[in-house]
Amino acid sequence: GQQVMQIPQYQHVQEGEDFTTYCNSSTTLSNIQWYKQRPGGHPVFLIQLVKSGEVKKQKRLTFQFGEAKKNSSLHITATQTTDVGTYFCFSSSNTGKLIFGQGTTLQVKP
Amino acid sequence: KAGVTQTPRYLIKTRGQQVTLSCSPISGHRSVSWYQQTPGQGLQFLFEYFSETQRNKGNFPGRFSGRQFSNSRSEMNVSTLELGDSALYLCASSSWVNTDTQYFGPGTRLTVL
Repeated sequence: GQQVMQIPQYQHVQEGEDFTTYCNSSTTLSNIQWYKQRPGGHPVFLIQLVKSGEVKKQKRLTFQFGEAKKNSSLHITATQTTDVGTYFCFSSSNTGKLIFGQGTTLQVKP
Repeated sequence: KAGVTQTPRYLIKTRGQQVTLSCSPISGHRSVSWYQQTPGQGLQFLFEYFSETQRNKGNFPGRFSGRQFSNSRSEMNVSTLELGDSALYLCASSSWVNTDTQYFGPGTRLTVL
C-alpha cells in the first residue's frame, strides 16, 4: 500500500544549526501537510502544500513540495530550543486512508 | 471556538477487558479521525467517520471499532484488550474532508496491564 517514508528518525543539533526532515512517497500525493508535536503534547498543524514545486515559509521554517509531488521537506534555519519536538508529514492515500510519516524527533542543545 | 476534547485523559485496564473512548470535535466539524500513537509505530490511522458513516479504515483488527453520533461526537471501542494496545489514542476533527487540516485533541493515554 501507499506509504510515506520520513527521515531521519532522530536529529540532535546544537542551537543555531540548521535542521531538515524529508518525506518521500512511492506514489503521487494530492497534497501534504506538516505537523509538530511537542513532548507530551498533540500534533499541531503547521502548513499544507498542494502545488507541484510549491515553497512556503513561516519565519525560520521553509516547506517544499517536490516537482513530482512525491516528496517534501521541512527546513529550519538557526534552530532554537523552542523547535524541540517531533515533526510529521501527513497525506492521504488514493484509497482515502490517512497516512502520517514516522516522524523526525528534533533535539536542540542550548 | 472550543478545541477537540477527549475523555478520559488516562485509563488503566487489564487484558481481556474492553474500553470506550470519547471524542468531541470542534463545533461545525463533521469529520472525525482516530489514530493510535506508540513509540515504535508512530501515528497509525484507525478510522475516519463523516456524518455518522465510517468513511475509511486503517489496518487494525476487528477488536477496534468506532461510531459517530448525529452531533458529530465519536466514540471508539477496543474489545478484548491486549498488552500491545497500550498507546496514546488521538482523535482529530476536520471541517469537511479528511485532507483538510486535522485538529487534534489531547489524547487518551491507555495502559493495559
